[in-house]
Amino acid sequence: GQNIDQPTEMTATEGAIVQINCTYQTSGFNGLFWYQQHAGEAPTFLSYNVLDGLEEKGRFSSFLSRSKGYSYLLLKELQMKDSASYLCAAMDSNYQLIWGAGTKLIIKP
Amino acid sequence: GAVVSQHPSRVICKSGTSVKIECRSLDFQATTMFWYRQFPKQSLMLMATSNEGSKATYEQGVEKDKFLINHASLTLSTLTVTSAHPEDSSFYICSARSGGDSYEQYFGPGTRLTVT
Repeated sequence: GQNIDQPTEMTATEGAIVQINCTYQTSGFNGLFWYQQHAGEAPTFLSYNVLDGLEEKGRFSSFLSRSKGYSYLLLKELQMKDSASYLCAAMDSNYQLIWGAGTKLIIKP
Repeated sequence: GAVVSQHPSRVICKSGTSVKIECRSLDFQATTMFWYRQFPKQSLMLMATSNEGSKATYEQGVEKDKFLINHASLTLSTLTVTSAHPEDSSFYICSARSGGDSYEQYFGPGTRLTVT
């Protein structure tokens, strides 16, 4: 079956760095997405990886290892506004997104 | 660019009535639109996928006669919840994909449905 695993909740301190891990098992693979979702709002796109390696975009970076079925989202210089849920989604061979349950990130001052 | 709107943002209806939710891509043509449902503290659950001009493909367990989806144009899709019940209360979110080489989904702001 198809499955996405990510931690349920993480806590970090303002100004610090946090890494949110995601492992996936899908029928075929066409890329890995990360979305941010604030409570009561729709998800917003953060990153898309289809090749192995690290993609850096400002304070956020995303890493992919296709051989390991593994990705992580790295958030640097954490700000209070980064408190949100972070959703990992893998695209299968039918170009359908398989969603993880999301990681709730709590930022403390 | 790539803005998706949803209307209404919130709706309260009585049990047994029907509610229509609109999803529009404002600045691009959406060849594919997706409808999701999200219960509190849970992840997105894909309900159906629709391509312009064709019938929607529903996920297993989603009643197509209860959740009517119409994707009549490249910029508009509608979801109608028929004979709504309190258990249908949820956050409904649409997303749109422009097609071609882009597989990114652009999400609408969501519609909070409360059935009393």
